[in-house]
Amino acid sequence: GENVEQHPSTLSVQEGDSAVIKCTYSDSASNYFPWYKQELGKRPQLIIDIRSNVGEKKDQRIAVTLNKTAKHFSLHITETQPEDSAVYFCAARGNDMRFGAGTRLTVKP
Amino acid sequence: NAGVMQNPRHLVRRRGQEARLRCSPMKGHSHVYWYRQLPEEGLKFMVYLQKENIIDESGMPKERFSAEFPKEGPSILRIQQVVRGDSAAYFCASSPGQAYQETQYFGPGTRLLVL
Repeated sequence: GENVEQHPSTLSVQEGDSAVIKCTYSDSASNYFPWYKQELGKRPQLIIDIRSNVGEKKDQRIAVTLNKTAKHFSLHITETQPEDSAVYFCAARGNDMRFGAGTRLTVKP
Repeated sequence: NAGVMQNPRHLVRRRGQEARLRCSPMKGHSHVYWYRQLPEEGLKFMVYLQKENIIDESGMPKERFSAEFPKEGPSILRIQQVVRGDSAAYFCASSPGQAYQETQYFGPGTRLLVL
């Protein structure tokens, strides 16, 4: 089955800086890669996703890149704001969905 | 269009009791997934169900846990004889179908506390 690894586990940045979270996956059949943001005590919310036929996708301050050859994908947040502070999960889906362990992002004002 | 609904939001049980967690998928969604999130940890897949069918239960503990998604009504995750280690947040998610790249939408979760 799929195995997803996520790094770093914690990330602290200054407001306005960029944040990058990286994930690797093992199942070459995986074709869909969503990213979820989970604020404390709340449900995971989908923030962006990418499919295997696309190398990059951007939505305002958030972008995701996918390298299928290397089996890794990354989340990029630019111009970070304190409200970006949360835990971020990557996931990869082939026959089932597997999540990374999460990255706790703290944006310091 | 109401989102994924879960109830109860909080559930307290004593060791040995049963816990029943309910999940109503988004309207038009026929596929339900259950995940467990231990404190300070990520989301662990438990089970994937369609109406009246368990498609993948590879993440379910072999004992005490069961899930169903009847033709009518919500999906139920049932934990028998709960132990302290079952304390966690249980999230369900739904998707329209099992096309290869379906987006899953999460419910608010049920936070189970076993005393």
